[in-house]
Amino acid sequence: DTEVTQTPKHLVMGMTNKKSLKCEQHMGHRAMYWYKQKAKKPPELMFVYSYEKLSINESVPSRFSPECPNSSLLNLHLHALQPEDSALYLCASSLDLGRSDEQYFGPGTRLTVT
Amino acid sequence: TQLLEQSPQFLSIQEGENLTVYCNSSSVFSSLQWYRQEPGEGPVLLVTVVTGGEVKKLKRLTFQFGDARKDSSLHITAAQPGDTGLYLCAGVDQAGTALIFGKGTTLSVSS
Repeated sequence: DTEVTQTPKHLVMGMTNKKSLKCEQHMGHRAMYWYKQKAKKPPELMFVYSYEKLSINESVPSRFSPECPNSSLLNLHLHALQPEDSALYLCASSLDLGRSDEQYFGPGTRLTVT
Repeated sequence: TQLLEQSPQFLSIQEGENLTVYCNSSSVFSSLQWYRQEPGEGPVLLVTVVTGGEVKKLKRLTFQFGDARKDSSLHITAAQPGDTGLYLCAGVDQAGTALIFGKGTTLSVSS
């Protein structure tokens, strides 16, 4: 199983809402990543978890809050977002940080902030 | 700062044509990856090139890693509409912990 799943597929939320994005993998990977992607642009790294600990935070605003409850799950909690946060949010995983060259991506969550 | 310059940014061709996408850097990379992304989906890893001068083939796609490991190319022979998508080259940063992506090449193949 080389699949990374993400839910929901689409999400529309107001600027005062609180929502969460979920990501799951069962490949035994110990590194997990959140990316933000705007249309026709490359993914931008947001957070990296290694062995369930936050390893990298690319200066992401605090309205985005990641969580790694266990080695298979990665959440991204959203609160008080802005319209410019509308984007495709991608989750990825790799065997470990040392193998970040081979990342498996999920299908993404298309987020629209109104 | 490590950068990957990818060109062209956009490419619109007819079915059956050949094309090449370039990925260049002034930095040495231990490996480079090529991903393909369809609209509304996540990137899918196509290939990893590791050895300088390496050539890998995946059906009609040919990937090459430069001798100095600073550049790579993707050549598609006889493009088909199913090849349409965003092609991304990527390499691991010097810390070895994060992928650096090129700006991507949006390919459109019409029949």
